[in-house]
Amino acid sequence: GESVGLHLPTLSVQEGDNSIINCAYSNSASDYFIWYKQESGKGPQFIIDIRSNMDKRQGQRVTVLLNKTVKHLSLQIAATQPGDSAVYFCAENRDYGQNFVFGPGTRLSVLP
Amino acid sequence: DAGITQSPRHKVTETGTPVTLRCHQTENHRYMYWYRQDPGHGLRLIHYSYGVKDTDKGEVSDGYSVSRSKTEDFLLTLESATSSQTSVYFCAISGGGSQETQYFGPGTRLLVL
Repeated sequence: GESVGLHLPTLSVQEGDNSIINCAYSNSASDYFIWYKQESGKGPQFIIDIRSNMDKRQGQRVTVLLNKTVKHLSLQIAATQPGDSAVYFCAENRDYGQNFVFGPGTRLSVLP
Repeated sequence: DAGITQSPRHKVTETGTPVTLRCHQTENHRYMYWYRQDPGHGLRLIHYSYGVKDTDKGEVSDGYSVSRSKTEDFLLTLESATSSQTSVYFCAISGGGSQETQYFGPGTRLLVL
């Protein structure tokens, strides 16, 4: 598959444990954020989003937390499974339009 | 990747040759985008389209042109490919409302020798 990030930070977790992936964003004016999952050889897949009027949003096995004070976003994955192994990256929307800025990502490795 | 296809999926070409990548959607979404993805970088926007024949430049548009003659198709052309354009190219679509989520295609891996 494509080499989407040869030198990405890596998070290794045991199967069944919870994972926390972090993202720092740069623009305090950003008000919409998305987490994507990218498996090797595939395109980014939408996981969950959050707007700046919220601090937390939950999906199926995933939770996104937004801390606007320190410009920090996190993705929590409960009961991590082998199928969760992928690169995860956040995107921030700055311009009230269609332009997003994407982070380089974190590689999640799930250990058996 | 549902509703978005990209062709070709892999291409090897030589420096100086023109290359065209195609993105096709079946979602009737208004907005379409071309990004490139390189190691150590996040996705970077090349060009986007907000309707038929309506396009605009992104962050890294030099050396690229686009065309959109139909809602469902968005073409990316490298006028004269260079080795620095070796990358993985992704097409994305969105409905076009304010801050709409973008959905991505499977990508095209381009190698320029």
